[in-house]
Amino acid sequence: VMTQSPATLSVSPGERATLSCRASQTVKSNLAWYQQKPGQAPRLLIYGVSTRATGIPARFSGSGSGTEFTLTISSLQSEDFAVYYCQQYNNWPLTFGGGTKVEIK
Amino acid sequence: EVLLLESGGGLVQPGGSLRLSCAASGFTFSSYAMSWVRQAPGKGLQWVSALSDSGHYTYYTDSVRGRFTISRDNSKNTVYLQMNSLRAEDTAVYYCARRLTTDGGPFDYWGQGRLVTVSS
Repeated sequence: VMTQSPATLSVSPGERATLSCRASQTVKSNLAWYQQKPGQAPRLLIYGVSTRATGIPARFSGSGSGTEFTLTISSLQSEDFAVYYCQQYNNWPLTFGGGTKVEIK
Repeated sequence: EVLLLESGGGLVQPGGSLRLSCAASGFTFSSYAMSWVRQAPGKGLQWVSALSDSGHYTYYTDSVRGRFTISRDNSKNTVYLQMNSLRAEDTAVYYCARRLTTDGGPFDYWGQGRLVTVSS
């Protein structure tokens, strides 16, 4: 089970956002983060805990290990307000967290 | 450019069947594992099923095992999801997704999604 917190994060543009994801058992480094905007498919941001996917800006960074992981957005831009999901791909079944909605404060 | 284009879906009665297709282009389809992921209205993401690059290995989430079947035709660059004995709780947007590496990994490309509605 993947647990994300908080469920909703209110942040002002330009501020830093820190999102958390906890796994009920170790997922080693097999952890990814996705961004989803309304009416769109999810987009891969980070995989292997900290590797940015192709085309993802440097303001997105991931960290953690084992069971505790963090996605940090260093300076929120208007296009970053969305829902973020973590996902583990170490164990079957593949599982997603419940999501964190980042909204404008 | 990698593209995944789903088709199928729509409205079906409880207990009915439906098949989703996902046509892939822009990459060597036979070299990648594929998956289906769904999202119920207003809810989060749920992985449904996965298939190895060869098609020999299949995986399912517990709630669909025995009712859904994932398959692929590498000659047509297409992955399928046959859904039988559909229930109201299967109502969702279904996405096909490519896995990043040939033996697994996260989902690096996604289709646009197809809505499946199970209702009488």
